Amino acid sequence: TQLLEQSPQFLSIQEGENLTVYCNSSSVFSSLQWYRQEPGEGPVLLVTVVTGGEVKKLKRLTFQFGDARKDSSLHITAAQPGDTGLYLCAGVNRGSTLGRLYFGRGTQLTVWP
Amino acid sequence: GAGVSQSPSNKVTEKGKDVELRCDPISGHTALYWYRQSLGQGLEFLIYFQGNSAPDKSGLPSDRFSAERTGGSVSTLTIQRTQQEDSAVYLCASSFRMRGETQYFGPGTRLLVL
Repeated sequence: TQLLEQSPQFLSIQEGENLTVYCNSSSVFSSLQWYRQEPGEGPVLLVTVVTGGEVKKLKRLTFQFGDARKDSSLHITAAQPGDTGLYLCAGVNRGSTLGRLYFGRGTQLTVWP
Repeated sequence: GAGVSQSPSNKVTEKGKDVELRCDPISGHTALYWYRQSLGQGLEFLIYFQGNSAPDKSGLPSDRFSAERTGGSVSTLTIQRTQQEDSAVYLCASSFRMRGETQYFGPGTRLLVL
């Protein structure tokens, strides 16, 4: 059973389009992180959200943490081919004493020129 | 070093052989994590080290898998009697301490068991 469910699993869009990736759980997380992974490399942290309702922006990327801290979304405006990659959400389960990160299965984004 | 390094980058082995995967974390990082990434499965947690001790081994899939860390630095993940289902990318990450801090990942070791 996956603690964090990501959707969609695959997304193929044209350059300039907008998109949203969702990360949902029935569990409460003390923090949630978004990573991006390119082929042949390890995931790289994009952002960490901690407070329920928090919104963070990173250029054309907007990250939101749900009020109840059970879900998060990543919105990309005017996608570019350089945004292509695997986007992973990961959360630290509230109550975890070891800081273990639970990862979603990822969203594979392809942006065509 | 500047980042987390892993070796080898690729490993092809025959079913039944043992393999050792190495991780060099960022200098000064006390926490070290091993994950496995299979196609379409996301990242699967294997084991976590704090210093040289492993307070959380709950992700190791079987007793064929073991890991150790020495000197609070280098870690080795050993898979004995490899099976075809062990084929995956094995990722190592380190963080300064623990508790949900940013984890810095290495490039991974791609293991193929024939």
